[in-house]
Amino acid sequence: QVQLQESGPGLVKPSGTLSLTCAVSGGSISSSNWWSWVRQPPGKGLEWIGEIYHSGSTNYNPSLKSRVTISVDKSKNQFSLKLSSVTAADTAVYYCARNSDYWSVKVDVWGKGTTVTVSS
Amino acid sequence: SSELTQDPAVSVALGQTVRITCQGDSLRSYYASWYQQKPGQAPVLVIYGKNNRPSGIPDRFSGSSSGNTASLTITGAQAEDEADYYCNSRDSSGNHLDFGTGTKVTVL
Repeated sequence: QVQLQESGPGLVKPSGTLSLTCAVSGGSISSSNWWSWVRQPPGKGLEWIGEIYHSGSTNYNPSLKSRVTISVDKSKNQFSLKLSSVTAADTAVYYCARNSDYWSVKVDVWGKGTTVTVSS
Repeated sequence: SSELTQDPAVSVALGQTVRITCQGDSLRSYYASWYQQKPGQAPVLVIYGKNNRPSGIPDRFSGSSSGNTASLTITGAQAEDEADYYCNSRDSSGNHLDFGTGTKVTVL
């Protein structure tokens, strides 16, 4: 059974870069799935950040595209998120997730989430 | 901002039926999936595709779609169904995902 685990700093300074990694266990990141990042600011709804396929193909939320990079490391069976020029508005719980059906959007595996606070 | 619109909150009496809707132009082309989220927990997929339930999801959850509106129905709501529910779909371009604004379901 595939499991996902987010890791990274819980505190990032304003104007800095948020960096998170999602480790995939129980399955291969090179399987026919897309791998996503989703965030949720405190008390608010879910926001899709972007997704990546093991080939390196990516799609990003247009509202974040200029600041986001998602990459994959097949040798470590993990994928990563970088979000630059962060502000307090980027404070959120960040989830990594697996989408096992691109068109029907079957996001069937989620990490537990990691809280990132942007503050000096 | 989300292009999928949901009612902010609905309530349902224990054992009764509740329907949650999700509206958006992309739903004319793509199916919606639905997620249940309880406080402090990650979302859980409850419906995907035309009307498919992942293993372990009770059959009181069902999905449907008509035009630009997708619906999640809980038939015989239980206390444990009290949660936030989000719809999710490809956007009209097909290149991005979009989450609905979320609906808080209260079971009375």
